[in-house]
Amino acid sequence: GAVVSQHPSRVICKSGTSVKIECRSLDFQATTMFWYRQFPKQSLMLMATSNEGSKATYEQGVEKDKFLINHASLTLSTLTVTSAHPEDSSFYICSARDLMKNSYNEQFFGPGTRLTVL
Amino acid sequence: AQSVTQPDIHITVSEGASLELRCNYSYGATPYLFWYVQSPGQGLQLLLKYFSGDTLVQGIKGFEAEFKRSQSSFNLRKPSVHWSDAAEYFCAVGFTGGGNKLTFGTGTQLKVEL
Repeated sequence: GAVVSQHPSRVICKSGTSVKIECRSLDFQATTMFWYRQFPKQSLMLMATSNEGSKATYEQGVEKDKFLINHASLTLSTLTVTSAHPEDSSFYICSARDLMKNSYNEQFFGPGTRLTVL
Repeated sequence: AQSVTQPDIHITVSEGASLELRCNYSYGATPYLFWYVQSPGQGLQLLLKYFSGDTLVQGIKGFEAEFKRSQSSFNLRKPSVHWSDAAEYFCAVGFTGGGNKLTFGTGTQLKVEL
């Protein structure tokens, strides 16, 4: 149980284009999903917290107009990198909290999406 | 501000040897503690977690960790390392009132020599 998927696993795009990454909880409902960014050989940096049916909460320094987050249902959150540039190239990981469990901040992680912007 | 420290960036051990990865945190409230493992290009897999109760917790793949409140530590241990344990290990901490967020340590890269 508690499986989170991400799609696509890898994406290469041209500079200036937009890219959408999907995060799905497959066997549970998630009122809250999180989006992280990870640079090579570094830790995870929380970008934003996504709550179903409301606006995402962005961490300090994260451009909300650059990284659009939509949490339209209890099983799907999307991250859209708008007008992507090479510096946006990174590994993006989502996670989700299980609505039905008193999980003490426990998060279930997706497999990540490798974004390369040419 | 809350912080999580993993003092060892890289650790190399021989296969069959014991392992201890250190994690220290700085929080005012009672923490919720996690250890995750990440293989290259992959997401994070939960090894074990501590919420309350017995301070020695058992996880998957033969790992265990001990919560020591007096030392603000949650070190990960394994009595005999296997070559397949080579990966990046992250300690993460959350706490009540923290907005459901987790703060991650910088990670420890484990290399296993055959």
